[in-house]
Amino acid sequence: SQTIHQWPATLVQPVGSPLSLECTVEGTSNPNLYWYRQAAGRGLQLLFYSVGIGQISSEVPQNLSASRPQDRQFILSSKKLLLSDSGFYLCAWSVRGNSPLHFGNGTRLTVT
Amino acid sequence: DQQVKQNSPSLSVQEGRISILNCDYTNSMFDYFLWYKKYPAEGPTFLISISSIKDKNEDGRFTVFLNKSAKHLSLHIVPSQPGDSAVYFCAASYNDMRFGAGTRLTVKP
Repeated sequence: SQTIHQWPATLVQPVGSPLSLECTVEGTSNPNLYWYRQAAGRGLQLLFYSVGIGQISSEVPQNLSASRPQDRQFILSSKKLLLSDSGFYLCAWSVRGNSPLHFGNGTRLTVT
Repeated sequence: DQQVKQNSPSLSVQEGRISILNCDYTNSMFDYFLWYKKYPAEGPTFLISISSIKDKNEDGRFTVFLNKSAKHLSLHIVPSQPGDSAVYFCAASYNDMRFGAGTRLTVKP
């Protein structure tokens, strides 16, 4: 069966520090991969999605970047965090075509 | 750019009654629609989906209705149970998947 791992579960970082959140998927090949953010009291905002290694689409220009160095690995990064980067970050995967997204358990990021 | 909208931030119903959650979308290219359930500090869990070629899909207590002409979908939960209390997100997909802001459902015993 397929599983998705996302870590860390919680993270407190000072303003201006770098960020690296990692997500890996097991049990499937060539998945679509996604990063979403849920700000406090708001819905899920699509940040990045990827249909293959090195292929990243960015939905919202901001202080974050994403990379997919391996087929089942998706990394969310920032060189310098802002207070507004605080939120709940979710990684998800899906197979090709019309299919549900399967989410990880999320990372609660607090920038202080 | 909110292509998927859930205009009711919260809904409260009595146990055993029907819960109706609504969702509207603007992009006519969407061809696949889903509902997710989310508890605090967890990722959303897939509930039910519907393709644009259908107008109804049922799975146990959950039924999703799609009205393409109105660009509207709804989720019916019958009968509602206290364990259904959570935030429900609707989502729509074409190349990627867009989510609404969510509706917090509270089912009172």
